[in-house]
Amino acid sequence: AQSVTQLGSHVSVSEGALVLLRCNYSSSVPPYLFWYVQYPNQGLQLLLKYTSAATLVKGINGFEAEFKKSETSFHLTKPSAHMSDAAEYFCAVFGSSNTGKLIFGQGTTLQVKP
Amino acid sequence: DAMVIQNPRYQVTQFGKPVTLSCSQTLNHNVMYWYQQKSSQAPKLLFHYYDKDFNNEADTPDNFQSRRPNTSFCFLDIRSPGLGDAAMYLCATSHPSGRAPETQYFGPGTRLLVL
Repeated sequence: AQSVTQLGSHVSVSEGALVLLRCNYSSSVPPYLFWYVQYPNQGLQLLLKYTSAATLVKGINGFEAEFKKSETSFHLTKPSAHMSDAAEYFCAVFGSSNTGKLIFGQGTTLQVKP
Repeated sequence: DAMVIQNPRYQVTQFGKPVTLSCSQTLNHNVMYWYQQKSSQAPKLLFHYYDKDFNNEADTPDNFQSRRPNTSFCFLDIRSPGLGDAAMYLCATSHPSGRAPETQYFGPGTRLLVL
């Protein structure tokens, strides 16, 4: 069964600093992986997705993630944090083509300090 | 702009009083999902429709029902809300094609408060 684990429920960075949000997956088949962002009282917005093409995936708002099979990781990074990046971030893996189910990690709250 | 719309954004109901949350989409996607998200937790899938085919998650309580009268609309009915049902309810859509899963597009959510 597929699953994802997000390391660190809270991450705090200074504005302009590197953002690194960690996600490790477990999957018996080649995974399809996603990062979503959720702002307070809003729905989820797709940042980027990995679907077995390029291992380095670029997303919106300057975010990118690298799929590393050897480490079963799909960490999210951004070179320079902005105050507007403060939000909840969810890593997710696609369950299977039969169920259409996204399996989410527990989420990481990103705090950006001025 | 094509989008997923949820109404209302905030819903207050009384303990045991049936409530219906609505979702509509202009994306013409054939799959619609309902998720429950409690405070500081990840979204949890309740059920989804693939066209008219209803797919219930095994651990979704019977208290939760859904209807999809047409492609554009999907409703979540909570027959007898309990205090534990207070949460954000998220609707999402997707349009699978080929072997790779398509992105799920989320609405803004409806926050349900049970008094």
